[in-house]
Amino acid sequence: DVKVTQSSRYLVKRTGEKVFLECVQDMDHENMFWYRQDPGLGLRLIYFSYDVKMKEKGDIPEGYSVSREKKERFSLILESASTNQTSMYLCASSLGSPGQGTLRAYEQYFGPGTRLTVT
Amino acid sequence: GESVGLHLPTLSVQEGDNSIINCAYSNSASDYFIWYKQESGKGPQFIIDIRSNMDKRQGQRVTVLLNKTVKHLSLQIAATQPGDSAVYFCAGGGGATNKLIFGTGTLLAVQP
Repeated sequence: DVKVTQSSRYLVKRTGEKVFLECVQDMDHENMFWYRQDPGLGLRLIYFSYDVKMKEKGDIPEGYSVSREKKERFSLILESASTNQTSMYLCASSLGSPGQGTLRAYEQYFGPGTRLTVT
Repeated sequence: GESVGLHLPTLSVQEGDNSIINCAYSNSASDYFIWYKQESGKGPQFIIDIRSNMDKRQGQRVTVLLNKTVKHLSLQIAATQPGDSAVYFCAGGGGATNKLIFGTGTLLAVQP
């Protein structure tokens, strides 16, 4: 089974702190994604990556950055945490290249999530 | 812009009844649609998918129907069980990227 793990289940940080959220997948997937999940808004894509050292902005990248130094690890960075970044953060991975057009490329496997509270 | 939305935020059903969760989408270029189930405290899990050139796909106790004319898909769960209680998301994907666009989710509450 595909396993996607996230470094923390719960995290409390103060406004202005730099926050690192780590995600690791063990199935050699090319694609990795970071979402935030808020009530009534569903899952919104922050950043994604198709390959090592490669990143693309999603729908809401402001206030975030990412790092992918190794294929299995995708980090989300909040440079200066703010209270409006309090949310559930979900990492996902999938197999396949961009535009491949196969189900495997779209079928994303999710981690358990990190609930971040910024006070 | 692109969107995938749901008709109802909450659906309450009796155990043993059939459940129908609906989803509308706006992007005609979507190649695939996927239904995810998210239990409390967990990440979303894949349930079933359907390709845009199909109108029906069946799995174990679940059926997905796709109506491209009105840009609507539904997830039907037969003989709903307490373990089916969760939030259900539809998602659509297509084009040059592997991105999915998710709906806002429907909470399915199964009453014993």
